[in-house]
Formats: sequence, structure tokens, C-alpha cells
Amino acid sequence: DTGVSQDPRHKITKRGQNVTFRCDPISEHNRLYWYRQTLGQGPEFLTYFQNEAQLEKSRLLSDRFSAERPKGSFSTLEIQRTEQGDSAMYLCASRGDSGATNEKLFFGSGTQLSVL
Amino acid sequence: AQSVTQLDSQVPVFEEAPVELRCNYSSSVSVYLFWYVQYPNQGLQLLLKYLSGSTLVKGINGFEAEFNKSQTSFHLRKPSVHISDTAEYFCAVSDRASGTYKYIFGTGTRLKVLA
Repeated sequence: DTGVSQDPRHKITKRGQNVTFRCDPISEHNRLYWYRQTLGQGPEFLTYFQNEAQLEKSRLLSDRFSAERPKGSFSTLEIQRTEQGDSAMYLCASRGDSGATNEKLFFGSGTQLSVL
Repeated sequence: AQSVTQLDSQVPVFEEAPVELRCNYSSSVSVYLFWYVQYPNQGLQLLLKYLSGSTLVKGINGFEAEFNKSQTSFHLRKPSVHISDTAEYFCAVSDRASGTYKYIFGTGTRLKVLA
């Protein structure tokens, strides 16, 4: 169990540029989540995948955000035409299939995005 | 929509003193409740969870929480804190009855243990 990996750890970009983040969940986990966290706030839900299917997406999520999990393993989160308000820590989490013992999210260390 | 309220943004406490971190959630038929901890420069990790059954749940590092349905609360307690408990604590809820898989987190409580 190597944990949830996120890449890059830090990203600095200029307003208007596109950015893409990658998340590698724990290998046997079929459920994957993306969250966003800003200073002084808790993680805010963005989207949820079960295998390769994107089953839930926050209504607050702008059309500039898109996420994929093409083979049900790693996932990418892309932000197009970044804005300064997108600056945040982007967290990925994974968990196993249904069942009490799997009601536990494993979080990565996050990607810190700074939009200048 | 489901929501979580953590009333205290910061809680300072002396080492070996007891602590309670408060969490309230909006009412629902059935919810799963969680406490996660984030140590400095580390990712969030699960401290404990309530899914059903006994309302008193025990977690790692000597923490426990009590589910109170009538007060829609899930407060976290520890009888004697250590310096190493200094961290940010997040309460979270999942409302499966509404058909969602997401976990909703509170704004966090920063616990500062003083020597």
C-alpha cells in the first residue's frame, strides 16, 4: 500500500492558462474523489468516480473544470482558463468498495495551485 | 442539503487537560459521521467513524466521539491531550439516504496543545 499519490505537489500558473493535475489512488480502490481546500476552510467536494464512471459532480463546479478516470485507475483534473479564485489545494482521495470497513477515505498530500 | 458546523475555529488547551471539539450536522434520516485529522504538512487521515450501533465510538490515539441524534451532534473528546495532538480536526458527514456518495466536511477546528 503506497498510499494516494498526487502530482505535482505545487503548481504556479498565470491567469488564463490551463493546468492538469494527476492522482494515483491506492491500487485496489475503485472509488475516487476530488476535493478543493482553501485556507481556513474544510475540503469542498468537487467530483466522484466509481471505476471509470463519473457519478457525482458538484453543482458549484464551473464548466472550466473537468475530470477523467479513463481506465478506472489514475485520474486527472483539468482547469481551463484559470482564474485567481482557483488558487487552492486540490486533494484527491480514494476508498474501497461498499462495506463498513471501506467507509474510510485515504487522502493524498494534495496539489497546491497558485494562479498569478 | 446536508451541512456540518464546527463552531470553534481554534481550541487552545494545556497538555494533559481534557478537550472537546464540537460538531453539529443538519438533520437527516440516517447519516454516517466521521472525524478526520490533519497533522502539519500531512494529508487528512481518519480518526474515527460512526455508521450505526453504539453511539460512543472510539478511534485512534485515545480519541472518542458520541453520536447524539436528538441534538444532531458528534462531538470529539479526549480525556488527556498530548503536544503531538496539535493538528486540525475536521468533522464530516455522508448522507447516503439522499443517494449521494460525497462526504461533506466542516471548516475545521485547529487544536493547539500548550506545554
